[in-house]
Amino acid sequence: DTGVSQDPRHKITKRGQNVTFRCDPISEHNRLYWYRQTLGQGPEFLTYFQNEAQLEKSRLLSDRFSAERPKGSFSTLEIQRTEQGDSAMYLCASSLVSDTQYFGPGTRLTVL
Amino acid sequence: AQSVAQPEDQVNVAEGNPLTVKCTYSVSGNPYLFWYVQYPNRGLQFLLKYITGDNLVKGSYGFEAEFNKSQTSFHLKKPSALVSDSALYFCAVRGNSGYALNFGKGTSLLVTP
Repeated sequence: DTGVSQDPRHKITKRGQNVTFRCDPISEHNRLYWYRQTLGQGPEFLTYFQNEAQLEKSRLLSDRFSAERPKGSFSTLEIQRTEQGDSAMYLCASSLVSDTQYFGPGTRLTVL
Repeated sequence: AQSVAQPEDQVNVAEGNPLTVKCTYSVSGNPYLFWYVQYPNRGLQFLLKYITGDNLVKGSYGFEAEFNKSQTSFHLKKPSALVSDSALYFCAVRGNSGYALNFGKGTSLLVTP
């Protein structure tokens, strides 16, 4: 499969714990995006990378959130000290520069 | 600022009938417009996009969309609906110098046999 992959698909954690998600983009894509989707809403932009550089972060991305793309390939999104409000679907997408964004299957986070 | 409105939470249509899912947008400059579909517990699948050129764009699975600049709309259409088209549909917009997609809240399409 040559699409965007995300791991894990589901994560259940207790409030206050740290969690990390991984995204593997389509191999030749140099842009990688993270979005968050809550129930009944469309995805909301969190951050994006061009190669290994993180070029923009949304106001939604509090200081408990950090994202990396160390070698310009896969990316990780870490949430520290999770809160119940962090429960959502976290979507990763990739694209060639300004072209169409292709999405992965998402990681569903449940914070108890 | 850019935004998308999908005025209908749900659209119901009988199989074989034409369907329309509405979308209006607001953006500075020329819009890049997209439609995505989401099946339960799945990510978003790209259907089609408008960047420039012909106002009627054709996409995957027989879907098409019409860009109307004066009405700032980008409605999704299909001549003959299938039960398997039942899903959540999202319209999204991006400015020509931007990168982040701004999504509508989605429209649930239900096609009944």
